[in-house]
Amino acid sequence: GAGVSQTPSNKVTEKGKYVELRCDPISGHTALYWYRQSLGQGPEFLIYFQGTGAADDSGLPNDRFFAVRPEGSVSTLKIQRTERGDSAVYLCASSLTGTDTQYFGPGTRLTVL
Amino acid sequence: KQEVTQIPAALSVPEGENLVLNCSFTDSAIYNLQWFRQDPGKGLTSLLLIQSSQREQTSGRLNASLDKSSGRSTLYIAASQPGDSATYLCAVRPNDYKLSFGAGTTVTVRA
Repeated sequence: GAGVSQTPSNKVTEKGKYVELRCDPISGHTALYWYRQSLGQGPEFLIYFQGTGAADDSGLPNDRFFAVRPEGSVSTLKIQRTERGDSAVYLCASSLTGTDTQYFGPGTRLTVL
Repeated sequence: KQEVTQIPAALSVPEGENLVLNCSFTDSAIYNLQWFRQDPGKGLTSLLLIQSSQREQTSGRLNASLDKSSGRSTLYIAASQPGDSATYLCAVRPNDYKLSFGAGTTVTVRA
């Protein structure tokens, strides 16, 4: 079946703008995760959804970052007032439940000019 | 906080040589450990997953070992090929859902 998909694959924006990044998980997966990968680093956890609710958003760096998953499937990561330091690859993963293997999408490369 | 370290950061070998990639972690209370492959501009592909009760996992030319008490895992890739060129990431999972990743080892296999 289809894997995790993310759109757009690349996003270039200007400092101060608002961006939305979308994740389509594997069908039937109840758990969804967002990670951020800066250049030369491993991915860092941002937020975990179980169903529609954010079970853990402790990795979100500040209140400019927000994520939703209103119907328990597609998730959107929203970044307000983007800063150059937000430039990174944003990875989404999903798993059948919160304890199962996580499957990653191809990521969205965000560049803030 | 779990810290994951991968050494070396980069590795270049001639084709046919065996690869040895190291991963160390500071907190031995883990649920499992996973090795991923990442190609430039791509997402993560899971290679091997070792449960905390296991000592090793094998898949084809890949073998991963886990020594939880010493906080170490090693990924062995036998008879390397140019197609093995990629970044290899180690991730540990404590008793919850978060993965803690190392920074990766970038491997170049020269033809």
